[in-house]
Formats: sequence, C-alpha cells, structure tokens
Amino acid sequence: DIVMTQSPATLSVTPGDRVSLSCRASQSISDYLHWYQQKSHESPRLLIKYASQSISGIPSRFSGSGSGSDFTLSINSVEPEDVGVYYCQNGHSFPTFGGGTKLEIK
Amino acid sequence: QIQLVQSGPELKKPGETVKISCKASGYTFTNYGMNWVKQAPGKGLKWMGWINTNTGEPTYAEEFKGRFAFSLETSASTAYLQINNLKNEDTATYFCARSGTARATSYFDYWGQGTTLTVSS
Repeated sequence: DIVMTQSPATLSVTPGDRVSLSCRASQSISDYLHWYQQKSHESPRLLIKYASQSISGIPSRFSGSGSGSDFTLSINSVEPEDVGVYYCQNGHSFPTFGGGTKLEIK
Repeated sequence: QIQLVQSGPELKKPGETVKISCKASGYTFTNYGMNWVKQAPGKGLKWMGWINTNTGEPTYAEEFKGRFAFSLETSASTAYLQINNLKNEDTATYFCARSGTARATSYFDYWGQGTTLTVSS
C-alpha cells in the first residue's frame, strides 16, 4: 500500500495567516492526490481533487499544488471556520489517507 | 440535491452482527461506485473498500477481508455494510462515500452523515 504522511500534525494559526499543509506519498502518485476537510462531529468534505483542481462550492482561499510524491494544501487568509482536520488521500491505487493535520486558531 | 443518508447509531455485543445502510438520492445510483470508510474514536480515516454499483462486485481493503460484506439493493438506491462476529475494535463511525468516478481508485465527492457503532459487552 502507498503510505501517506502529513505534516505538521497540528498547526496553530492566527486568522488572516496564509498556511501550507504538507502531504508526502511513499511513491510517486502523479497528481492522484485529493484533499478533505473534516470539522468536529461532521463528515469529511472534498476540498481539492487531482492535486490542484478546485471543487464547486469550496472557497477560493483553498488551493492545492504538487505532483509525484510531494503535495501542498494552501489556505490563503485563514478564517476561524477553517478549524478542523485536513486529510490527503492517495487516488493512484487502492485509496489510503494521511494521518491528518489538525488546524487550530490561536 | 445529492444526498447519502445512513442508518442510525448501533449498540451491539461482541459476536453479534450489524448491517448499516446508506440510501442515495439525487443521482443515478448505478453510475457511481460506493465506498465505506472507518473512523475509530479520535483517529483518522481508513478506506474499507468499495462496491461497483453497476455490477455489484465488492472490493475489500486487506484489513477488511473476512468479516465484512458490502451489498446493494439497487431498486432502493441503497448500499449496505454488514459486519459479522463483532469485536470491540469495530467500535467506530462508519461513513459511506460516493466515488467521483467509475473507478475503484477515485476521490469521494459526497459522504453520508456517518453511523456510530459501539461494540460492548
């Protein structure tokens, strides 16, 4: 199985900050990388597909980049409602998720 | 609008069987695969497998081969997850999630609200 590693585990930020969340695959997965947001006691929500493709209804402050084995989710100007856990998912082979990055607001 | 509505919370004893449902609406059920994802308390997401809603063929992740079974009631646009011989470690929230493409390896564009299963003697 392809192992997905996310960093950092926790990120504490101030509203208005620009943040970057990292996801690394144990082998190249081209752009078959998807990002999700899960708020407390909610279902996950798809944010970005195929590394950088935007999803209808998702605020434009969320963007994705990368290919191969290194990927980044960026949030431009974090808002308090962005608190939650962010997961990356390998879509190249049988799906596997990263361990998540928890985003907190200071 | 597209919705996946799952059955309610379950409390079971070790050794029992549970069957969780996921009713889809707002799209053609057989055009998109259905996945199942486990989230243990305080833990991350784990893909359990998927079922091809066109052929009914299930595919299980290695860890979920044996006691787990995916099935369909296509006429009711409903997918099911059955877990046999329940163990304490099956305590988790289980999500159904629609595949965004026809492939087993896909992103998940719509999710159910989750079904909480508690296994305790």
